[in-house]
Amino acid sequence: EVKLVESGGVVVQPGGSLRLSCAASGFTFDDYAMHWVRQIPGKGLEWICLVNWESSRIHYADSVKGRFAISRDNSKKSLYLQMNSLRPEDTALYYCVKDIDPPGSGRFDHWGQGTLVTVSS
Amino acid sequence: EIVLTQSPATLSLFPGERATLSCRASQSVSRFLAWYRHKPGQAPRLLIYDTSNRATGVPARFSGSGSGTDFTLTISSLEPEDFAVYYCQQRSDWPQFTFGGGTKVEIK
Repeated sequence: EVKLVESGGVVVQPGGSLRLSCAASGFTFDDYAMHWVRQIPGKGLEWICLVNWESSRIHYADSVKGRFAISRDNSKKSLYLQMNSLRPEDTALYYCVKDIDPPGSGRFDHWGQGTLVTVSS
Repeated sequence: EIVLTQSPATLSLFPGERATLSCRASQSVSRFLAWYRHKPGQAPRLLIYDTSNRATGVPARFSGSGSGTDFTLTISSLEPEDFAVYYCQQRSDWPQFTFGGGTKVEIK
């Protein structure tokens, strides 16, 4: 069974930093691209970044480019999201998402339960 | 950015009824459109990818159709677990993936 378990969500002040983690199990982690997708409370879903299977290709949404950094450690079957210069509008539930293939074609076949990040003073 | 507009915002139906959900794209996405079901407090679930392909384990009551800018998700007979929010998502504009605003299917 595929499992994705996010952690690291807390309350942080504007301008602060945070690192989210995602522990993967139940599949060959280094065979697949991974993404982070967020959901602002009461709103829809927003894709924010992608890393391919070998970390050679990384892409970001404009809303987080230059502030967030996605990374992965295939030896630890883990995905990370380093979040810097946080803004109140970054308040959201952050999902770790598995792609259906290695390069990351944008078909999201498994999702975690999410971890809540609140940016507030 | 490709904008996806879902309609209606809310659909009120009885269990056993047929549900028809719509997703319209601001420009052609060819057939690169997916549908997800999202129940409160749970992880979203991929139902359909590339317009009409059911994901692994998805029941046959879910079907998708369309191309270009207009797409439909049909649930032939609503089960209790189907009352949820449904999102469409495009992957045509790689890697700037976008989602629709969602359709809530509620019990009438």
